[in-house]
Amino acid sequence: EIVLTQSPGTLSLSPGERATLSCRASQSLSSSYLAWYQHKPGQAPRLLIYGASSRATGIPDRFSGSGSGTDFTLTIGRLEPEDFAVYYCQQCGSSPETFGQGTKVEIK
Amino acid sequence: EVQLLESGGGLVQPGGSLRLSCAASGFTFSSYAMSWVRQAPGKGLEWVSSISGNGGGTYYADSVKGRFTISRDNSKNTLYLQMNSLRAEDTAIYYCAKKVAGYYDSSGYPNDYWGQGTLVTVSS
Repeated sequence: EIVLTQSPGTLSLSPGERATLSCRASQSLSSSYLAWYQHKPGQAPRLLIYGASSRATGIPDRFSGSGSGTDFTLTIGRLEPEDFAVYYCQQCGSSPETFGQGTKVEIK
Repeated sequence: EVQLLESGGGLVQPGGSLRLSCAASGFTFSSYAMSWVRQAPGKGLEWVSSISGNGGGTYYADSVKGRFTISRDNSKNTLYLQMNSLRAEDTAIYYCAKKVAGYYDSSGYPNDYWGQGTLVTVSS
């Protein structure tokens, strides 16, 4: 099983600031199989990034993904009020699919 | 517009059974793999099971293998999760999710649309 470890657990930032979220895999995985999701309480999760760096349909360009091998990063260029949420990385290339434990981006 | 509507959640005693349904619309249901993902109270997302578009390939998390069965009826555009021998640790919101592709195999594809979820509570 591929374990994904996200850091930090919580990120306290102000609107307009840049957010950098990390996702580290326990073994190397193809970047094709790394995705990022945004999840707000009471809402359905939302696909942001797939294939490590491709934005999903309708996702603003302030969201970007990068990385390869075991280290992946989600960057939010300038935080908007609606961006405060929990973010998960996911690997979907091997069973069992796994999610990281999540990073909460909260308003400072 | 893609829509996924889960139903069937509720309160069940330990050892009991429940069947979740997910009614899909807005896309060609049979062309896409589907998944169930759950979130226990105060916890993160946990993948439960996936099924290919043609129903021929299924995968399960170890935590539910042998107790849960995923299936689909492409004529009714509906995904199911039969849950037996339920335990307290199965208490969670269960989300239905569409994968971006996967007629023959669900592996390798992220989930591009999700439902709002249905709450399953296992308690005596």
